[in-house]
Amino acid sequence: AQTVTQSQPEMSVQEAETVTLSCTYDTSESDYYLFWYKQPPSRQMILVIRQEAYKQQNATENRFSVNFQKAAKSFSLKISDSQLGDAAMYFCAYRSHPWSGTASKLTFGTGTRLQVTL
Amino acid sequence: DAGVTQSPTHLIKTRGQQVTLRCSPKSGHDTVSWYQQALGQGPQFIFQYYEEEERQRGNFPDRFSGHQFPNYSSELNVNALLLGDSALYLCASIIQGTAETQYFGPGTRLLVL
Repeated sequence: AQTVTQSQPEMSVQEAETVTLSCTYDTSESDYYLFWYKQPPSRQMILVIRQEAYKQQNATENRFSVNFQKAAKSFSLKISDSQLGDAAMYFCAYRSHPWSGTASKLTFGTGTRLQVTL
Repeated sequence: DAGVTQSPTHLIKTRGQQVTLRCSPKSGHDTVSWYQQALGQGPQFIFQYYEEEERQRGNFPDRFSGHQFPNYSSELNVNALLLGDSALYLCASIIQGTAETQYFGPGTRLLVL
């Protein structure tokens, strides 16, 4: 079974600064997907960024980028130029490749609460 | 393009009662997954429905059951409610067998007293 670990329960960053959220995972699979989801107080789970394990290039979406280290099973999220609207819970999640036949189940970490201060 | 919708948004029940939560998937999606998110925790996979059948199940007791309808919408039923069933219940949809991203609904907050 796969596991996802987020070791930072809370993080704080000043507006316009950069912050990095950590995530490690454990799997015996070689093909899989990793995600960062944002959950604001409204509860809606919003996709921030996704990474396919077979791609060596790190994914980037505007101010959000990841550092994917497959051998180390590490998947950190960097938020640049932080904004007040970035304040939320951030969850790291793992999904097996569709070829595995294990459906599209997501395995989540316990989350990191990000505070953004002025 | 309609996203994933869930109803109701909030629900209060007492121990021993039964509850039904509903989910409509994103337009074009045929597979629905349900997750339970306890306060301060990450979502935990309950089960997934495709072609009106349960395809995969997480570590949840038989008190948790579901159904999928021909229009791909889904229901989550929980019988004999316990205090520990109080949580946010999230529904997510996807097209079966694809590498697409799952889209989540806004959730149903269940409080068991």
